Amino acid sequence: GQNIDQPTEMTATEGAIVQINCTYQTSGFNGLFWYQQHAGEAPTFLSYNVLDGLEEKGRFSSFLSRSKGYSYLLLKELQMKDSASYLCAVMDSNYQLIWGAGTKLIIKP
Amino acid sequence: GAVVSQHPSRVICKSGTSVKIECRSLDFQATTMFWYRQFPKQSLMLMATSNEGSKATYEQGVEKDKFLINHASLTLSTLTVTSAHPEDSSFYICSARLGPGTGVPSWPGETQYFGPGTRLLVL
Repeated sequence: GQNIDQPTEMTATEGAIVQINCTYQTSGFNGLFWYQQHAGEAPTFLSYNVLDGLEEKGRFSSFLSRSKGYSYLLLKELQMKDSASYLCAVMDSNYQLIWGAGTKLIIKP
Repeated sequence: GAVVSQHPSRVICKSGTSVKIECRSLDFQATTMFWYRQFPKQSLMLMATSNEGSKATYEQGVEKDKFLINHASLTLSTLTVTSAHPEDSSFYICSARLGPGTGVPSWPGETQYFGPGTRLLVL
């Protein structure tokens, strides 16, 4: 079956760095996505990786290792507004998105 | 960027009534739209894939007679929750996909644009 695993909840301090991991097992692979979702709102796109390596976009970076079925989202210089759920999703061979359960990130002052 | 709207944003209804939720792509044509449901503290659950001009494809466990989907035009898909019950109370989110509808995204990085969601409460 298809499976996406990520931690349920993480806590970090304002100004610090946090890494959210995601492992996956899917039928085919056409890229991995990270989305941010604030409570009561729809997800918003953060990053996309289809090749191995690190993609950096401002304070956020995303890493992918296809051989290990592994990705992480790295958030630097954490701000209170970064408190949200972070969803990992993999596009399978049918171009459908398979979603993880999300990681709730709590930022403390 | 591409914008997807949903209406209504919030609805409260009595048990046994039907509720229609609209999903519109405002500045692009979406041959494919997706309907998701999200219960509190859980991830998105794909309910169905809606293709313009054809029948929707429902995920396993989703009752097609209860959740009616109509994708009548390239900019509008509707989800009707028929005979709603309290257990149907949830956050319903639609998304629309760019591209020619062949399954290949035009820009994989933003393959799906999400609507703002509709919060349904059935009393």
